[in-house]
Amino acid sequence: KAGVTQTPRYLIKTRGQQVTLSCSPISGHRSVSWYQQTPGQGLQFLFEYFSETQRNKGNFPGRFSGRQFSNSRSEMNVSTLELGDSALYLCASSWRTGTATNEKLFFGSGTQLSVL
Amino acid sequence: TQLLEQSPQFLSIQEGENLTVYCNSSSVFSSLQWYRQEPGEGPVLLVTVVTGGEVKKLKRLTFQFGDARKDSSLHITAAQPGDTGLYLCAGGGPTTYSGNTPLVFGKGTRLSVIA
Repeated sequence: KAGVTQTPRYLIKTRGQQVTLSCSPISGHRSVSWYQQTPGQGLQFLFEYFSETQRNKGNFPGRFSGRQFSNSRSEMNVSTLELGDSALYLCASSWRTGTATNEKLFFGSGTQLSVL
Repeated sequence: TQLLEQSPQFLSIQEGENLTVYCNSSSVFSSLQWYRQEPGEGPVLLVTVVTGGEVKKLKRLTFQFGDARKDSSLHITAAQPGDTGLYLCAGGGPTTYSGNTPLVFGKGTRLSVIA
């Protein structure tokens, strides 16, 4: 069974540009969550999508947005990039059984974004 | 805001030694998960504990959830170079009308086991 696939693996952008990252979840998983990982802040939750609807949102500015398609694939977009957006962006999929005790996240390998 | 503090931040030990890493919070969590992340990869789930006082063993790894469900520990016996990685704990919040609250992650303990 294929795991969570994120593309691209590496991305270099300059300040002010925008970027779109893609995530294909494990087949059958309907929930996709996005996290930003930096050495200083660790993993910080961006947002979660379930059945094409945003269910939860973290404390990030509106420059960060996402969406989910009918096949559960998800994209996140960052507009007007800033130097501080340099990070590893991780996508995770899950069955989303509806109870926190049963939640298991399966992570992709991430997209390493560098903003110059 | 729920926060998870992990200690130590960094740990470098010799192969064969034992170690314990900690995950502490002032908040109560409905569940506590431990992940291991290797360089260039995403975190991989090791275990989920849900009951206060619960102890789970995974080969040489022993996980414990505090009685009050505010803290957890991971003990590794006879560490091996393959145990090297970033160990993350993540706390699960209550289930709301919209479903699960997102997992809250600690910043991790970076373990290096030297042969």
